[in-house]
Amino acid sequence: EAEVAQSPRYKITEKSQAVAFWCDPISGHATLYWYRQILGQGPELLVQFQDESVVDDSQLPKDRFSAERLKGVDSTLKIQPAELGDSAMYLCASSKGPQGADTQYFGPGTRLTVL
Amino acid sequence: QKEVEQDPGPLSVPEGAIVSLNCTYSNSAFQYFMWYRQYSRKGPELLMYTYSSGNKEDGRFTAQVDKSSKYISLFIRDSQPSDSATYLCAMKRGNTGGFKTIFGAGTRLFVKA
Repeated sequence: EAEVAQSPRYKITEKSQAVAFWCDPISGHATLYWYRQILGQGPELLVQFQDESVVDDSQLPKDRFSAERLKGVDSTLKIQPAELGDSAMYLCASSKGPQGADTQYFGPGTRLTVL
Repeated sequence: QKEVEQDPGPLSVPEGAIVSLNCTYSNSAFQYFMWYRQYSRKGPELLMYTYSSGNKEDGRFTAQVDKSSKYISLFIRDSQPSDSATYLCAMKRGNTGGFKTIFGAGTRLFVKA
């Protein structure tokens, strides 16, 4: 069964450092999502890609976060500089398309701890 | 006010009990309704997906949607210790580029053997 891959699974960094997370969606899935899940809360959308284009980054803190999906396949989410409040689980998900009936499949997530 | 409200629990039940999990929402624009299960330190996995009001059953799980009351439920029959997890409700509404998913905070469920 195809799965969404993410790496690293865990990342510990000091504040003001740069971190990067990688996601490889299910093959053939055109839509890719990055979510942030703070402990005890549900996932919140940071950015949504349709192929290589950003279609929603309204909740992405653009002063420190950036995301790219250059060839419309895998994607990277970067934080620079990291802050204490960035400690959370970063989840990547993918779906065949952006429509309501398209199911999102989640990866295992990257747990970030900022010291 | 949050678009989707979900009691975080925790909810503790004995093995074999019927579990009822609920969410309410305020935005009538939501069209699709989902339930995800999330084990500790894992990504969410889709359990149930519904579009219209009414019931949908899959094995021990039943999802119920009442659009007139803006209320959705997930019932788990004959609960097992392996059902211990966080259950997230989620809903989709139209957005630029397609649809946007809004999640509830999740309810932590413990099923005691």
